[in-house]
Amino acid sequence: DIQMTQSPSSLSASVGDRVTITCRASQGISNYLAWFQQKPGKAPKSLIYAASSLQSGVPSKFSGSGSGTDFTLTISSLQPEDFATYYCQQYNSYPHTFGQGTKLEIK
Amino acid sequence: EVQLVESGGGLVQPGGSLRLSCAASGFTFSSYEMNWVRQAPGKGLEWVSYISSSGSTIYYADSVKGRFTISRDNAKNSLYLQMNSLRAEDTAVYYCARDVSYDTWGQGTMVTVSS
Repeated sequence: DIQMTQSPSSLSASVGDRVTITCRASQGISNYLAWFQQKPGKAPKSLIYAASSLQSGVPSKFSGSGSGTDFTLTISSLQPEDFATYYCQQYNSYPHTFGQGTKLEIK
Repeated sequence: EVQLVESGGGLVQPGGSLRLSCAASGFTFSSYEMNWVRQAPGKGLEWVSYISSSGSTIYYADSVKGRFTISRDNAKNSLYLQMNSLRAEDTAVYYCARDVSYDTWGQGTMVTVSS
């Protein structure tokens, strides 16, 4: 199975900041990488697929990059509604595996 | 509006069974692959099972293989997860999600396995 490792596990930031979350795959997954946002008590929301493609309706403040084993999610100009937990996921091969999550908190 | 609505969760004793359903609307269900994903209380996301658009290809996580069965009825726009021999560690919110890119998720249904 492909292991997905996110860093950091938690992150404190202020409104207006720009933050970057990293996701590393234990083996190459081309660009079969997705990012999700989850708020407490809610279902995950798809932000990015194919490493860098924005889902319809997702604001351009979210951006993704990377290929192979190393990927990043960048969120610019943080707003209160962006504070949530973020997950990466590889869908290159089954079992599709998720990172452990990054909790983004308000400083 | 594209929508997925799960149902069928509840409290069940260890060793018991439960059948989850996921009702799809707002899109051509028969054209999409589907997945089940679960989340134990306070934990991260875990992929559970996949089914192709026709139902001919199916995959399971090792943790549920031999106990859970995924199926679909394209005429009824519905996805199912039959869960047998349930264990305490199966306690989680179960989500259905559309496509290999997981672009749409349901609201989830809670399954609690406890005596």
